[in-house]
Amino acid sequence: DAGVIQSPRHEVTEMGQEVTLRCKPISGHNSLFWYRQTMMRGLELLIYFNNNVPIDDSGMPEDRFSAKMPNASFSTLKIQPSEPRDSAVYFCASSLVGGDSPLHFGNGTRLTVT
Amino acid sequence: GQQLNQSPQSMFIQEGEDVSMNCTSSSIFNTWLWYKQDPGEGPVLLIALYKAGELTSNGRLTAQFGITRKDSFLNISASIPSDVGIYFCAGVSPAGGTSYGKLTFGQGTILTVHP
Repeated sequence: DAGVIQSPRHEVTEMGQEVTLRCKPISGHNSLFWYRQTMMRGLELLIYFNNNVPIDDSGMPEDRFSAKMPNASFSTLKIQPSEPRDSAVYFCASSLVGGDSPLHFGNGTRLTVT
Repeated sequence: GQQLNQSPQSMFIQEGEDVSMNCTSSSIFNTWLWYKQDPGEGPVLLIALYKAGELTSNGRLTAQFGITRKDSFLNISASIPSDVGIYFCAGVSPAGGTSYGKLTFGQGTILTVHP
């Protein structure tokens, strides 16, 4: 049974470049979450989708960050332009019912912006 | 916003010892979750608790949902080397006026087990 699939696993880019992270949630799950993990701040929720609709994007750091979910099986998180302080591990997670159900995480994308 | 205080931050133990970690909050939660994260991977759910006072086991792991709904603990008995990793608690706040209860994570407990 495939879990949450994220790509790429690692991304190294230069400051100012556009970065796109991808996520395929578990089939049948109707909620999708993007998290960012850093040593200093731990796991932070960036945005939450329910039935492909963004419900809570209050965690998105600034306008450089955007996320889309064009269908139930795909989501992207885009950073444009990227900055060194965006370096972190970005996790996508999905769940079946809603925000109060246990999340299933992907293996993350480790982003390094130089 | 809500914060979870997870302790201890790190633990160094010998194989075979028991481990205990806990999370506390100033606010109530409807659900408590415990996750484990291995290096290079995403957090994996260990135990989910949905009711105040609930005590749940999963093999050598036992977790409880505090009766005040503001705390939870996780115990690991007879630790083994593969228990090494970062353990996170997470709480789901009551939905209230929002459409969902927001999940808040603790800062994690780094567990090291010496053979």
